[in-house]
Amino acid sequence: QKEVEQNSGPLSVPEGAIASLNCTYSDRGSQSFFWYRQYSGKSPELIMFIYSNGDKEDGRFTAQLNKASQYVSLLIRDSQPSDSATYLCAVNSFSGGYNKLIFGAGTRLAVHP
Amino acid sequence: KAGVTQTPRYLIKTRGQQVTLSCSPISGHRSVSWYQQTPGQGLQFLFEYFSETQRNKGNFPGRFSGRQFSNSRSEMNVSTLELGDSALYLCASRAASGGDYEQYFGPGTRLTVT
Repeated sequence: QKEVEQNSGPLSVPEGAIASLNCTYSDRGSQSFFWYRQYSGKSPELIMFIYSNGDKEDGRFTAQLNKASQYVSLLIRDSQPSDSATYLCAVNSFSGGYNKLIFGAGTRLAVHP
Repeated sequence: KAGVTQTPRYLIKTRGQQVTLSCSPISGHRSVSWYQQTPGQGLQFLFEYFSETQRNKGNFPGRFSGRQFSNSRSEMNVSTLELGDSALYLCASRAASGGDYEQYFGPGTRLTVT
């Protein structure tokens, strides 16, 4: 069973701090990695994707990928209360002849003023 | 470009009934995937359709079925509804061409079974 693991949280950080969200995956063949943000009662929104080892930055968000350690993380700089949401890590896995996204259970982030 | 749309947004059904949910992908996207999301189980993959063919299927009973039309719109059907089918049903589309694996979700259909 190919799995994606995340700490369920809640991860509580003060406003202005860096929030660090982590994800590990079991399928060594995975090539594509995604972070989704989901507000309560809403659908997941794609905020970052990364395909190569290293860092990828987009505004206040940085995705980090280490395929050797099977580890992907999301850093949110200058965290705002509006960043409070559940963050889902998703990994593309080749299964049954086709690619499929496997989601972690999500980490709940709470940014307090 | 318009996003993924789903109809209806909310639905209340009774046990034993059946339901059909609809999803229109982003223009140009050929792949549609369906997911069930519940507080206890998280996001569970139901199936994926591409060019009117089911390419992948999750671990759900045969009561859950789907199809895709030539314009890439997709429908999901659940027959003989059970209380445990109450969930947020999400569809997601992606271009599915080349190395493009980014998947975008619709707003979801919240199904309540009483």
